[in-house]
Amino acid sequence: DGGITQSPKYLFRKEGQNVTLSCEQNLNHDAMYWYRQDPGQGLRLIYYSQIVNDFQKGDIAEGYSVSREKKESFPLTVTSAQKNPTAFYLCASSIESSPATQYFGPGTRLLVL
Amino acid sequence: AQKVTQAQTEISVVEKEDVTLDCVYETRDTTYYLFWYKQPPSGELVFLIRRNSFDEQNEISGRYSWNFQKSTSSFNFTITASQVVDSAVYFCALSGSIKAAGNKLTFGGGTRVLVKP
Repeated sequence: DGGITQSPKYLFRKEGQNVTLSCEQNLNHDAMYWYRQDPGQGLRLIYYSQIVNDFQKGDIAEGYSVSREKKESFPLTVTSAQKNPTAFYLCASSIESSPATQYFGPGTRLLVL
Repeated sequence: AQKVTQAQTEISVVEKEDVTLDCVYETRDTTYYLFWYKQPPSGELVFLIRRNSFDEQNEISGRYSWNFQKSTSSFNFTITASQVVDSAVYFCALSGSIKAAGNKLTFGGGTRVLVKP
């Protein structure tokens, strides 16, 4: 079945540690996105990539990094510079054309120990 | 800058009642797209509908219907004869032209719908 997978479902981070969230899609979509959702709030865009080996900062990129070495993969690293990382992280993908509906993965919940 | 406002943070209804979710948006783009997503307790966002700014026809899909009014910058969503399975958080979102930086979605804060049996 085609879709977007995110792993792990839950992730725990210790102080000063970098952690990486995985996002994989087999929909042959060109564009991929990372969003952050805080409790009771909407989604905010962290990074997005419209093509392999290229990505752009979203609205809240500080403390995060990404890579896009393969079309199907867009991992997000939460660095130690992100002082408030506890949130629900959602990955999405879309066909790179206009208009392009974004389809979402199941999400990863990141908690700080 | 784009903005989406969902003024209702939570709505509670009894099963079989109708419920309407409000969405008001702001954009300077002449071409834009509006979306509704459903987020059940599992967390994954489920796409419900996409609407173009130049198509103001209302749409019905089963128990769901959408009322797009460009004159008031609103894109409201109605669930008819609600069911317990409709309990979720619903998000309205806005996207400008693809030329305006990569198909970015601006989300509203969401409306939590609780349908009681």
